[in-house]
Parts: sequence; C-alpha cells; structure tokens
Amino acid sequence: DAGITQSPRHKVTETGTPVTLRCHQTENHRYMYWYRQDPGHGLRLIHYSYGVKDTDKGEVSDGYSVSRSKTEDFLLTLESATSSQTSVYFCAISDPLQYSGYTFGSGTRLTVV
Amino acid sequence: AQRVTQPEKLLSVFKGAPVELKCNYSYSGSPELFWYVQYSRQRLQLLLRHISRESIKGFTADLNKGETSFHLKKPFAQEEDSAMYYCALSGHSGTGNQFYFGTGTSLTVIP
Repeated sequence: DAGITQSPRHKVTETGTPVTLRCHQTENHRYMYWYRQDPGHGLRLIHYSYGVKDTDKGEVSDGYSVSRSKTEDFLLTLESATSSQTSVYFCAISDPLQYSGYTFGSGTRLTVV
Repeated sequence: AQRVTQPEKLLSVFKGAPVELKCNYSYSGSPELFWYVQYSRQRLQLLLRHISRESIKGFTADLNKGETSFHLKKPFAQEEDSAMYYCALSGHSGTGNQFYFGTGTSLTVIP
C-alpha cells in the first residue's frame, strides 16, 4: 500500500455547505499537500503543510482552509462549497530528504450541486 | 517563475510506434524533474525521476538543460501505456519543496 489514504472517496454536497476532506499518512513524512485536478488545468496546489500546525497557501487557496494537528493527518475544508469547487482532490506527501518525489492518495471526487 | 509546459493535451499513436511526450520547464536554480502517470481513475504514480536516470516500463527521459526540456520517450508504444502523463518540477522554497505540474498529456495508444 502507498501509505496514504483519503476519505471520503466520493462526495456530493450542496452549494453553501462546509465540507472536510481528510488525508491520512503512515509514512511519517513531514510535507503534505492538497491539489485539485481539473481538465485543462492539470494539478493545482491548494495548500501545503511543512509540519504540524505549519501550513501555507498554494496558487488556488481561496475558499479553502487546512489544518494539521498531527503529523499523519491533513484536513482540507471547503468553508462554503461552490459549484466551481467540483473537482477531484488529491493529497500528496513527500520527504525532502529523499529524491522520491510525491506519493499521492487515491483522490476524492467532490461534486457540488 | 517556475513553470512546466506540456504543449500537447492529447497524443495518439499506434501500437508499436515510437512515442514522445514533450515537457519544457523554466526554473532559476537546478531543477529536479519527474514524470508521473495516471491510469484511468487511479492515483498518480511516479514514473521517472531525472536524478535516477532509470528506464521504467520502457520509458526514458533525459534532462536537457540547454533546451530546458525533459521529454518522455518510448521506442515502441503499448496499449497499456494509454494514460495521462504529467511532467513535474521540484523547487525549493523557504518552507520546503513544492512541485509544479504541467497540465498533462493524455496518451492514447491505438491497437
């Protein structure tokens, strides 16, 4: 197993509701990332974390917040979901001491209706 | 600014034909380049990293710093190669390393 899991795998929610996606890792990697994948845009970084309680914004952070209270968990919250946030969300982890790139989760397919 | 460009959104080749997926980058320092592959509705998987100079599933990629390119090549395409391919660049900032992805190339191998 890749050592990284995302939940839920699929979710349908209504416009205006808050949604939280969870990323859990068992690799003890310091860095964790949230990306969204959209046709024609590839992967775009939403937020990332470089340690417990240390997070920073990516290029498409508006409307999203994150939290990391433990090394193994990185939560992404859509504060008030909009249809433009319908996407596939991927979590990734990395260890900067290894030139191994990212390890990705299986993704969460979110539909906002 | 860091940027990764994959000029082809879609690429179709016949089985057994050579395939080349193009990737160009811009980066002010020494880049670390990767290729990721995503098979239908699956997670992205690391395919190649330039630093290891390896061949995976018959694919190779050479970093050309003069042309700022990291094209992915395979001499004989197979049907199972049909997937989405992303070129990525790893850059270091004050808070760690970030990856910059291209927009991806969807490869279809025609039987």
